[in-house]
Amino acid sequence: GIQVEQSPPDLILQEGANSTLRCNFSDSVNNLQWFHQNPWGQLINLFYIPSGTKQNGRLSATTVATERYSLLYISSSQTTDSGVYFCAVEGTGNMLTFGGGTRLMVKP
Amino acid sequence: EAQVTQNPRYLITVTGKKLTVTCSQNMNHEYMSWYRQDPGLGLRQIYYSMNVEVTDKGDVPEGYKVSRKEKRNFPLILESPSPNQTSLYFCASSPSPLAGRNYYEQYFGPGTRLTVT
Repeated sequence: GIQVEQSPPDLILQEGANSTLRCNFSDSVNNLQWFHQNPWGQLINLFYIPSGTKQNGRLSATTVATERYSLLYISSSQTTDSGVYFCAVEGTGNMLTFGGGTRLMVKP
Repeated sequence: EAQVTQNPRYLITVTGKKLTVTCSQNMNHEYMSWYRQDPGLGLRQIYYSMNVEVTDKGDVPEGYKVSRKEKRNFPLILESPSPNQTSLYFCASSPSPLAGRNYYEQYFGPGTRLTVT
């Protein structure tokens, strides 16, 4: 099956800093999503982005499908951005394969 | 509001006592699925359903059953729960990713934290 690797595994930022999270995947995909899992465990949809670039407020994402990677940019980070960020991809099957996540802590 | 709901949100039970976790969506989605999340193992798919009366196994189906009698509901059944099924469970839904059609974003429920003692 598809392998999904995220980097870095852990990230500590000072409030106001910018960051880039990376997701590499091993095969072509039909679906790629970014999620934020908050401290209460809820998975929040951030982006549905199998290709191209999208922006939503301080967050933006870019997927380069031909090179099998996606990037999530967080600008002017806030303490509420803390949590785990997951990249998930869907190949030809009917299942999202999740990466291991990036655990982000934003300090005030 | 378009959403996926799960009940209960938290459950502590004992080994062998049958339980059902309900999942419901109000978006008229054909596709629904269940995942479990465990430390160090990430999220893994348990079962999925392409439409009413159509279900199939995911990566880790052992010890679980599902049914899809109505489009909006997809309950997860643990006939005889064991401690290794202690986990955080998520239900998800999307329009059907049928071959030849566009794939769609999956929407996740709030999660059910299950502890089996």
